[in-house]
Amino acid sequence: NAGVTQTPKFQVLKTGQSMTLQCAQDMNHNSMYWYRQDPGMGLRLIYYSASEGTTDKGEVPNGYNVSRLNKREFSLRLESAAPSQTSVYFCATWIGPGNQPQHFGDGTRLSIL
Amino acid sequence: LAKTTQPISMDSYEGQEVNITCSHNNIATNDYITWYQQFPSQGPRFIIQGYKTKVTNEVASLFIPADRKSSTLSLPRVSLSDTAVYYCLVAGLDNYGQNFVFGPGTRLSVLP
Repeated sequence: NAGVTQTPKFQVLKTGQSMTLQCAQDMNHNSMYWYRQDPGMGLRLIYYSASEGTTDKGEVPNGYNVSRLNKREFSLRLESAAPSQTSVYFCATWIGPGNQPQHFGDGTRLSIL
Repeated sequence: LAKTTQPISMDSYEGQEVNITCSHNNIATNDYITWYQQFPSQGPRFIIQGYKTKVTNEVASLFIPADRKSSTLSLPRVSLSDTAVYYCLVAGLDNYGQNFVFGPGTRLSVLP
């Protein structure tokens, strides 16, 4: 049981390049999230998808787009990468309303030169 | 959104009990309190969750006073492997989960 799988684990881009980060879950959870974590800081929400077919902006959505392809998959796209987007990106899932915690992948470490 | 405040860092020695307190003065009636642990190069991992009074599991205890304006995560007899960042979250759970807000957390260092 893989849980939440993120690919790739590491990536180096040049400024202006585009890239899609992939997230897949096998827990049948309704909601999925993308966070970024900068050194010494907590996680900041970029976008989330409450359910299949819906997406909404989080705290820091500028420079990103997302696609909830189906219930299992939620991708994050950087159309024109900037050095300020160098960060570790985490995908998370949540089963839905009720006292259940989020489940996280192990992150994608992205460096933009 | 209920804002949380935690100490930025704490040091402890192996075998000691560690208590990390989180303040959440504007917690709402339907908010739960959840604690996560994060190791380097890993995503946060759920430790414990509670609404009021005391909750205990095989890893930790969570103490919540009657006014719910704070909570304390208690780690009994810590080991070196408990060195991690600990996050306190306060979120209402009758919504679509858009208010899972992570602060900077508490960096716990366990020394031999």
